Amino acid sequence: QKEVEQDPGPLSVPEGAIVSLNCTYSNSAFQYFMWYRQYSRKGPELLMYTYSSGNKEDGRFTAQVDKSSKYISLFIRDSQPSDSATYLCAMRGNTGGFKTIFGAGTRLFVKA
Amino acid sequence: DTGVSQDPRHKITKRGQNVTFRCDPISEHNRLYWYRQTLGQGPEFLTYFQNEAQLEKSRLLSDRFSAERPKGSFSTLEIQRTEQGDSAMYLCASSSSTSGIGETQYFGPGTRLLVL
Repeated sequence: QKEVEQDPGPLSVPEGAIVSLNCTYSNSAFQYFMWYRQYSRKGPELLMYTYSSGNKEDGRFTAQVDKSSKYISLFIRDSQPSDSATYLCAMRGNTGGFKTIFGAGTRLFVKA
Repeated sequence: DTGVSQDPRHKITKRGQNVTFRCDPISEHNRLYWYRQTLGQGPEFLTYFQNEAQLEKSRLLSDRFSAERPKGSFSTLEIQRTEQGDSAMYLCASSSSTSGIGETQYFGPGTRLLVL
């Protein structure tokens, strides 16, 4: 079993829809949770990060962490065609060299 | 632009050849990471430097792989006797230990390797 599980999709939604992306994990030592966006043939770009449980909002993006369920989510409101990309969840602990474990990524298509 | 840069962006080589990639991190970042990403997968950790010291290596990093960061600035990743299974995107990231709890890694554009 992988430490981080993420549905690869693809997920196709109409423009303006609310998108929900999710990951589950097994390592209770993870404390720091991130979402990266990756366009085709580009490096990952950090979107949001949260520490421990709770919610964090940044514009159209909201990240949620539920450590009791080992479940994290990213919500995108008013999705745009420019949001079409692969979304990677990532997480790490506070020790061990800050090695970050990534999910496989979910491919999102937002149709105009 | 002061982001992470990688060179070359693309490399095609024949099986058995050696290749070397370079990463220039964000200038004030003292931590540097190498990852490998294959199609349809997330990045997989390979190795990590703090300043010039290589502090952690993944089991994925076989004896054919070596990484250096001689002066604590840029880093090189060398693959000797390349195999077709080495074909992947090689990503470099950097971060600063002085960021505290908010430390996050910033990625470069990657080097895409194709071994024929």
